[in-house]
Amino acid sequence: DAGVIQSPRHEVTEMGQEVTLRCKPISGHDYLFWYRQTMMRGLELLIYFNNNVPIDDSGMPEDRFSAKMPNASFSTLKIQPSEPRDSAVYFCASSYRGGAGEKLFFGSGTQLSVL
Amino acid sequence: KQEVTQIPAALSVPEGENLVLNCSFTDSAIYNLQWFRQDPGKGLTSLLLIQSSQREQTSGRLNASLDKSSGRSTLYIAASQPGDSATYLCAVNELTGGGNKLTFGTGTQLKVEL
Repeated sequence: DAGVIQSPRHEVTEMGQEVTLRCKPISGHDYLFWYRQTMMRGLELLIYFNNNVPIDDSGMPEDRFSAKMPNASFSTLKIQPSEPRDSAVYFCASSYRGGAGEKLFFGSGTQLSVL
Repeated sequence: KQEVTQIPAALSVPEGENLVLNCSFTDSAIYNLQWFRQDPGKGLTSLLLIQSSQREQTSGRLNASLDKSSGRSTLYIAASQPGDSATYLCAVNELTGGGNKLTFGTGTQLKVEL
C-alpha cells in the first residue's frame, strides 16, 4: 500500500479564498483523522471519522472549517474563507479499527500558507 | 483536560551516546501511549505503542517504558546514530476518547552529531 496520501503538498492562497485539502487513507482502514500542526500549539486533532461518519468534531476551530468523507477512500477538509491564522501543516491519518491497540499512520501533510 | 509535556525540547548528542527522552501526562486514565518520530517536512511515523497494562516495549535500539501511576514515559535510544536525528513526539490515547483520539506532546528535537 502507498500509505496515506494527501494533496496538495503545499498550498499558498490569499485571505478570504476557499481551500480544500484532500486525503486518501490506507485501504481497509476504517478510522480517519485530521490534525493540524503549528509551532505554537503543536499537533491538534480537528475531527475524526469512523466508517465515513464524523464521530468527534470538537477540535474544529470555527464554522469556517468543514470536513467530509463521502466514501471509505476519500476525505476533504475545507476552509472557507481562509485566514492567515489558518496557516499550518494539516495532517491526515488513518487506522484500522482505531482501537486501543492500533497504530496510527500519517500522511506527509499539506503545508498551508494563507497570505 | 489532558496535558502532555516533553522534556527536553531539544537535545544534541555525539554519535554513539545512549539517551533518554521524557514524556509526562497529567491524567493517568489512558488506554495507551505511543512514541512517534517526525522528520523535517514529513509526517509522523509510529515507533512504539505501550498499552496501559504494559510497562515497556522494545524495538531494535529503542525501548519505551510507561509508569501510568506517575504519568510518565521514557524513550531510551541506545547507541545513537546521525540517522536518529528527528523530532520525537509522545501521544496518549485517553479512556474517555474514542479510538485513537490522541493528545500529543510538543516533541523533543534530537540532533545526533558525528
